Amino acid sequence: AQSVAQPEDQVNVAEGNPLTVKCTYSVSGNPYLFWYVQYPNRGLQFLLKYITGDNLVKGSYGFEAEFNKSQTSFHLKKPSALVSDSALYFCVLGGGSYIPTFGRGTSLIVHP
Amino acid sequence: SQTIHQWPATLVQPVGSPLSLECTVEGTSNPNLYWYRQAAGRGLQLLFYSVGIGQISSEVPQNLSASRPQDRQFILSSKKLLLSDSGFYLCAWSGRAGGYNEQFFGPGTRLTVL
Repeated sequence: AQSVAQPEDQVNVAEGNPLTVKCTYSVSGNPYLFWYVQYPNRGLQFLLKYITGDNLVKGSYGFEAEFNKSQTSFHLKKPSALVSDSALYFCVLGGGSYIPTFGRGTSLIVHP
Repeated sequence: SQTIHQWPATLVQPVGSPLSLECTVEGTSNPNLYWYRQAAGRGLQLLFYSVGIGQISSEVPQNLSASRPQDRQFILSSKKLLLSDSGFYLCAWSGRAGGYNEQFFGPGTRLTVL
């Protein structure tokens, strides 16, 4: 069985500082990893994905994620946080099944 | 470009009343379709998914049902709502490769059962 963990319920960061939202995964085969963002009372929006290739994946709104196979991690990062980045972030593990595995979500709060 | 629609946006229903939520996708063919419920603004619970017309897989036993009468239409229903059915319902689609593809979500329906 595959699983994904987001160890932090909430991440607080000051505007202009770098941010990291953590994600670790467990899967027997090759991982297919995704990050989504959800603003209040809205649907989820796709940010980026890792399928194969470069370990550093660039996505929408200046976000990037670093795939680390040895640490089974796929952390979401941004060099300089904006107040408008405040939202709920989901790490998702896909693959051969039609059913993706969602993390429980991390609330990012960027303080002015 | 592809778009996904859900309606209504909000719904307040009494306990025991029926439910019908609709989701339609435009700009793509043969999508995989999903219904999720999100409680308390946090984790997503997969309710149903469909890989084709009339093909529905249920992930959680409950008083909800789903149907896919057309390729790009997905309907979530209930004959009698329970208080525990309250939540934020999200429809999503993905390409035919299933878990290898990203999902695209609709705007959601906020359901309150009183």
